[in-house]
Amino acid sequence: SQKIEQNSEALNIQEGKTATLTCNYTNYSPAYLQWYRQDPGRGPVFLLLIRENEKEKRKERLKVTFDTTLKQSLFHITASQPADSATYLCALHSSNTGKLIFGQGTTLQVKP
Amino acid sequence: KAGVTQTPRYLIKTRGQQVTLSCSPISGHRSVSWYQQTPGQGLQFLFEYFSETQRNKGNFPGRFSGRQFSNSRSEMNVSTLELGDSALYLCASSLVTGSGANVLTFGAGSRLTVL
Repeated sequence: SQKIEQNSEALNIQEGKTATLTCNYTNYSPAYLQWYRQDPGRGPVFLLLIRENEKEKRKERLKVTFDTTLKQSLFHITASQPADSATYLCALHSSNTGKLIFGQGTTLQVKP
Repeated sequence: KAGVTQTPRYLIKTRGQQVTLSCSPISGHRSVSWYQQTPGQGLQFLFEYFSETQRNKGNFPGRFSGRQFSNSRSEMNVSTLELGDSALYLCASSLVTGSGANVLTFGAGSRLTVL
């Protein structure tokens, strides 16, 4: 069956360090993958999109990699700040169904 | 420009009742998707509408239905409410790019509590 897996345990890091979040998937052939940020009580906010033929995408302190062989995406936040504390969701566009399917999300806590 | 607006923000219903949630997308966005979010299941896809037609549907029972109007506004309805329907219902609109990438802009959600 199709699965998207993100670390269910919260990730706690110190301010200034690089946070790395993982998104693994099985039985998907995604045309593209997206990362969203969600703060408590609010809807997710789009951060980055990476296509299947792209290896890496950057936006300011954010970097996303996409390895279709490993079926994995890594999301990095460099020089992390307490304001980066939130839940981060990956989402896959299924070429088969056309749906955008989300992982469960990983909660990041950046401590000052 | 205005974001995605969902109403009501909070509501409490009892089992067996039905509820209608409303979503106004960003102006110019013709695609509207609905998701259910619970702590245990995360974001679960309900359905997607484009130009008043349901384009995609998730694995939810027939008690969950939706529609889209000619102005792209959308409603979803849940009939015969069950306790397990308590969740945050999120609406998202999108402007599908020429390459087909569907980037979603979410509303703040409607928090439904079923007692």
